[in-house]
Amino acid sequence: SQQGEEDPQALSIQEGENATMNCSYKTSINNLQWYRQNSGRGLVHLILIRSNEREKHSGRLRVTLDTSKKSSSLLITASRAADTASYFCVPYNQGGKLIFGQGTELSVKP
Amino acid sequence: NAGVMQNPRHLVRRRGQEARLRCSPMKGHSHVYWYRQLPEEGLKFMVYLQKENIIDESGMPKERFSAEFPKEGPSILRIQQVVRGDSAAYFCASSRRDSVISDTQYFGPGTRLTVL
Repeated sequence: SQQGEEDPQALSIQEGENATMNCSYKTSINNLQWYRQNSGRGLVHLILIRSNEREKHSGRLRVTLDTSKKSSSLLITASRAADTASYFCVPYNQGGKLIFGQGTELSVKP
Repeated sequence: NAGVMQNPRHLVRRRGQEARLRCSPMKGHSHVYWYRQLPEEGLKFMVYLQKENIIDESGMPKERFSAEFPKEGPSILRIQQVVRGDSAAYFCASSRRDSVISDTQYFGPGTRLTVL
């Protein structure tokens, strides 16, 4: 498994705006997963996109994957204060373990 | 279906004592993973276990740390002779691993260990 690199490191927006976070990785993957962590609490699995998928939606979340560029993006539409958290992308090949990067710290101001 | 359970949620130990952290996976999950998050740092993988087997312990410190996942009961992460540097949040995750390529890990709320 490998680590994803999230960009930007920090993002501050107003409630109601959209938030876009990007992720790059280095080697081939079977899937890419996005997780959220609220202030040191446990991680919440948001969405998994397989390597043969280009886009996936879940509620206010939209994830894209471009395997040729080895990149992914997470879009949160109509953000809420409760979306304030750190977001991690995890490129996954096999082997079981997940490797987390530094994440994007999203702050949504009411 | 209850999520991943971890206990205790908070644990305080003095230097030299032992710490035992427990993790009960989600129902139907037979794969358990332990991660550690040091203050102001990201999550780091420690160990991956299946029932009665250690699959990958590449992230475990060589000394004082051990993990098990017995046939019956929760997974245990054991830290002997704790030191201040062991103070961290320890997270457990579980999965069904019914597909190697699309396995999802579900995380527990963590155990916050403080070593005095």
